[in-house]
Amino acid sequence: AQSVSQHNHHVILSEAASLELGCNYSYGGTVNLFWYVQYPGQHLQLLLKYFSGDPLVKGIKGFEAEFIKSKFSFNLRKPSVQWSDTAEYFCAVTVYNTDKLIFGTGTRLQVFP
Amino acid sequence: EAGVAQSPRYKIIEKRQSVAFWCNPISGHATLYWYQQILGQGPKLLIQFQNNGVVDDSQLPKDRFSAERLKGVDSTLKIQPAKLEDSAVYLCASSSGQGSTGNTIYFGEGSWLTVV
Repeated sequence: AQSVSQHNHHVILSEAASLELGCNYSYGGTVNLFWYVQYPGQHLQLLLKYFSGDPLVKGIKGFEAEFIKSKFSFNLRKPSVQWSDTAEYFCAVTVYNTDKLIFGTGTRLQVFP
Repeated sequence: EAGVAQSPRYKIIEKRQSVAFWCNPISGHATLYWYQQILGQGPKLLIQFQNNGVVDDSQLPKDRFSAERLKGVDSTLKIQPAKLEDSAVYLCASSSGQGSTGNTIYFGEGSWLTVV
């Protein structure tokens, strides 16, 4: 069965530090990849998505992610985090030409001023 | 544009009681999803509707969970009888797609269920 792994469960950073959150998926076929963010008390929001083309995807709020097919990875990056980036981040994948999202377990990011 | 609406936001019930959650998707969205998010885990799809038909309910515990979307718009998820392990956030989501990729899925704020 398809699965998504997020190895960083809890990340603590100071403002202006660089961020990289890992995401790996298990599926040998064509996938579509997503990063969602959930700010405290709010609903899940789409940060960015990859369907095809340039493997470096830019999203909202300065986030970007790189799809590396050979590594089955889709890591999320931001060069300089802000306190307002404190949230939970979920990597997700859809397969079989469907909209069925399979989520990772999430990474809780805390940014301190 | 109004987002996905869910109610109630919070519910506490005793085990073996029943509970129902309601969802109104974004206007015009044909596809509606119910996800279950247990604390410390990512959301897991329970059921997917395309208009008023079920596309995928393979992970819905059908002995106690049921869902309907009778008129192809809003939807209700019911749990009867509830178990302690049903304590979770129940997320409703919708997309304009017809079951194919390329469509953004929008999530509601969730209904928090605690079973005691």
